[in-house]
Amino acid sequence: GAGVSQTPSNKVTEKGKYVELRCDPISGHTALYWYRQSLGQGPEFLIYFQGTGAADDSGLPNDRFFAVRPEGSVSTLKIQRTERGDSAVYLCASSLSRRSYNEQFFGPGTRLTVL
Amino acid sequence: KQEVTQIPAALSVPEGENLVLNCSFTDSAIYNLQWFRQDPGKGLTSLLLIQSSQREQTSGRLNASLDKSSGRSTLYIAASQPGDSATYLCAVRLETSGSRLTFGEGTQLTVNP
Repeated sequence: GAGVSQTPSNKVTEKGKYVELRCDPISGHTALYWYRQSLGQGPEFLIYFQGTGAADDSGLPNDRFFAVRPEGSVSTLKIQRTERGDSAVYLCASSLSRRSYNEQFFGPGTRLTVL
Repeated sequence: KQEVTQIPAALSVPEGENLVLNCSFTDSAIYNLQWFRQDPGKGLTSLLLIQSSQREQTSGRLNASLDKSSGRSTLYIAASQPGDSATYLCAVRLETSGSRLTFGEGTQLTVNP
């Protein structure tokens, strides 16, 4: 079946603009995660959804970042008043449930560049 | 705070060589450890998942071991091929941090033909 998909694959924006990044998880996966990866670094956790609710948003760096998953499937990561430091690859992952043994499967990422 | 370290940061080997990538973590209270592969400009591909109760997992030419008490995991790649060239990342899931994964910075592997 289809894997995790993310759109757009690349996004270039100007400082101060608002951006939305979309994630389509694997069908039937109830858990969804967002991570951010800077160049040469490992991914860093941002937020985790179980169903429609954000079970853990402690990784969001500040209140300019927000994510939703209104129907428990597709999720959107929203960044307000973008800054150059927000430039990174934003990765989405999903897993079958929140159970500890479930593998997380990652999408190809969205490369965000803030000029 | 859990820290995950991967050594070496980069590795270049001739084709056919067997090699070992290392991952260490500071907090041994983990649920599991996952090894990923990342090709340039791409997302992460899951290679192996080891539960905290397991010692190793194997898939084809890959074997991952876990020593939870010492906070270490190794990824063994047998008979390396140029197609194995990629960045390899390990990630742990802590008992105390819910479902998030904490990643190392990766080992960039180049296998030369």
